[in-house]
Amino acid sequence: DGGITQSPKYLFRKEGQNVTLSCEQNLNHDAMYWYRQDPGQGLRLIYYSQIVNDFQKGDIAEGYSVSREKKESFPLTVTSAQKNPTAFYLCASSISVGATSYEQYFGPGTRLTVT
Amino acid sequence: ILNVEQSPQSLHVQEGDSTNFTCSFPSSNFYALHWYRWETAKSPEALFVMTLNGDEKKKGRISATLNTKEGYSYLYIKGSQPEDSATYLCAFGGSQGNLIFGKGTKLSVKP
Repeated sequence: DGGITQSPKYLFRKEGQNVTLSCEQNLNHDAMYWYRQDPGQGLRLIYYSQIVNDFQKGDIAEGYSVSREKKESFPLTVTSAQKNPTAFYLCASSISVGATSYEQYFGPGTRLTVT
Repeated sequence: ILNVEQSPQSLHVQEGDSTNFTCSFPSSNFYALHWYRWETAKSPEALFVMTLNGDEKKKGRISATLNTKEGYSYLYIKGSQPEDSATYLCAFGGSQGNLIFGKGTKLSVKP
């Protein structure tokens, strides 16, 4: 089945630790995205990538880092510099990011809790 | 700062009622308007992507209209069913190359 997988579903970390969230897609999409959702907020873009070895900051990139070494994979690292890391994180992909007329396909999300 | 507003925030209807939601977005630098349905414990799924002023799209009992000149889109659900219960997200695609999401409208349909 084609789709996007994110793991794990739930993640718990101590404050001060970096943590990496996994996102894999087998849709052969060029573009991939990371969003964050907080209660009462819309999805906010953290980082996006148009092609392998290239990525751009979204609206709330501070305290996060990403890599895009393979077309299928776009892992997100939440660093200790992120002041409020507890949130629900969604990964998505689309055929291309250049034209926003392409629909995005979403993974099931990872709920990160930092204490 | 680009802003996408959705109303109402939440909606409770009885099975069989028809309902509609609104999405307001910037009327300049418009490229696309997306609607997604997000059911609890599932991933958001695309309903419609609209790109032209006056676009009307339909999928079963759900339809959407688009007015890019005044910056709004309506989503209609005819004869709501309990399985329509979900959060409906709209997202504006502009020249910046990514999507700006609204906060969503949460629909609950009671049997």
